[in-house]
Amino acid sequence: EAGVAQSPRYKIIEKRQSVAFWCNPISGHATLYWYQQILGQGPKLLIQFQNNGVVDDSQLPKDRFSAERLKGVDSTLKIQPAKLEDSAVYLCASSLVRGAYNEQFFGPGTRLTVL
Amino acid sequence: SQKIEQNSEALNIQEGKTATLTCNYTNYSPAYLQWYRQDPGRGPVFLLLIRENEKEKRKERLKVTFDTTLKQSLFHITASQPADSATYLCALGGPQIYNFNKFYFGSGTKLNVKP
Repeated sequence: EAGVAQSPRYKIIEKRQSVAFWCNPISGHATLYWYQQILGQGPKLLIQFQNNGVVDDSQLPKDRFSAERLKGVDSTLKIQPAKLEDSAVYLCASSLVRGAYNEQFFGPGTRLTVL
Repeated sequence: SQKIEQNSEALNIQEGKTATLTCNYTNYSPAYLQWYRQDPGRGPVFLLLIRENEKEKRKERLKVTFDTTLKQSLFHITASQPADSATYLCALGGPQIYNFNKFYFGSGTKLNVKP
């Protein structure tokens, strides 16, 4: 089965610019997650979707970050405007159902550099 | 707030030995704990899950223990191989609130297995 797809793989922008990341989860996976992983740290959950609804965005900096999941499948994460501290790898993951014990399948990530 | 600690120093061991990685947590009562492997430039890959009411879980050369009294999980790789060299992340999940679970990752421990 195809894995989680993300694009672009790399992005370099200047501060105050906008950027968007795209994620296509594994077919049939109801739950989708966006994580931010800063170099040397573990992934930090930004937002969690169940189908096309947000179930948890408590750690999403809503003044600059936004995310949507179109028709419960693909998802986009946007940063507007970007700050230097947003430099990180943005990981998308999906899981089959919204269960307590489901493993998450991660994409390769998008490495963002903000200059 | 919750805190998850993994040894930030790399663990260097000889091929064939058992690697033991530690995950400690505070201010949290997870319903379960997961271990992931992450290679450079890639997203984490799920390895094992252990629930709060389980003491030990095994999968091939992997073994995980979960002590909710000590608030600690140990991750063992027996008969380690150079191919096991990677960063290993622990992730705590739950408790299930409403319809979703919180996920918190540790910062990971880098394992180097020398031939």
